[in-house]
Amino acid sequence: DQQVKQNSPSLSVQEGRISILNCDYTNSMFDYFLWYKKYPAEGPTFLISISSIKDKNEDGRFTVFLNKSAKHLSLHIVPSQPGDSAVYFCAASTGTASKLTFGTGTRLQVTL
Amino acid sequence: GAVVSQHPSWVICKSGTSVKIECRSLDFQATTMFWYRQFPKQSLMLMATSNEGSKATYEQGVEKDKFLINHASLTLSTLTVTSAHPEDSSFYICSARTRDSGLEAFFGQGTRLTVV
Repeated sequence: DQQVKQNSPSLSVQEGRISILNCDYTNSMFDYFLWYKKYPAEGPTFLISISSIKDKNEDGRFTVFLNKSAKHLSLHIVPSQPGDSAVYFCAASTGTASKLTFGTGTRLQVTL
Repeated sequence: GAVVSQHPSWVICKSGTSVKIECRSLDFQATTMFWYRQFPKQSLMLMATSNEGSKATYEQGVEKDKFLINHASLTLSTLTVTSAHPEDSSFYICSARTRDSGLEAFFGQGTRLTVV
């Protein structure tokens, strides 16, 4: 039972354009959401998070949007850079002290 | 950010042998450590949660006698894969959390285990 889903396994975006990565969840008890970036043979690196009391959180080029009614969140990267090429995982949690449930990841390729 | 070091980065072992993977928090005390497993092109699957000084809590379907987890100090947790088989070949990743880090668990670089 995949409670966190990333339906696009891959995405290709031109440098300078916007990258939009999507994530859907089924568990309505999830109230914290995070995005991680992962390079091959490395552990994930935290990017940005959002609590269910907000619908948007921004940090530099990264913005996360949360639509609770649709159980959907998205990560926007603007402008996209070649160094952003990696696998992006969304993760969800019920409360700050509980375990993370990860999505299957989306491989982003930023082309020149 | 905080640094979590995982060792070794990769290991090849023979079927039937045991392999130990270490996860260290280098500049902070980790009250909780997590062990994940990732199959190719799949998500990170949580195997177990360990709190310093207490027994690990295993996720459903994870054999605790096969995947031994020890969290003996606030900076070190180990995962031992006992009597390894080729189907145990995978990418294992640890993460650590402090009381103050909230959800932002810090991840190690992972260990690629290949059982031949």
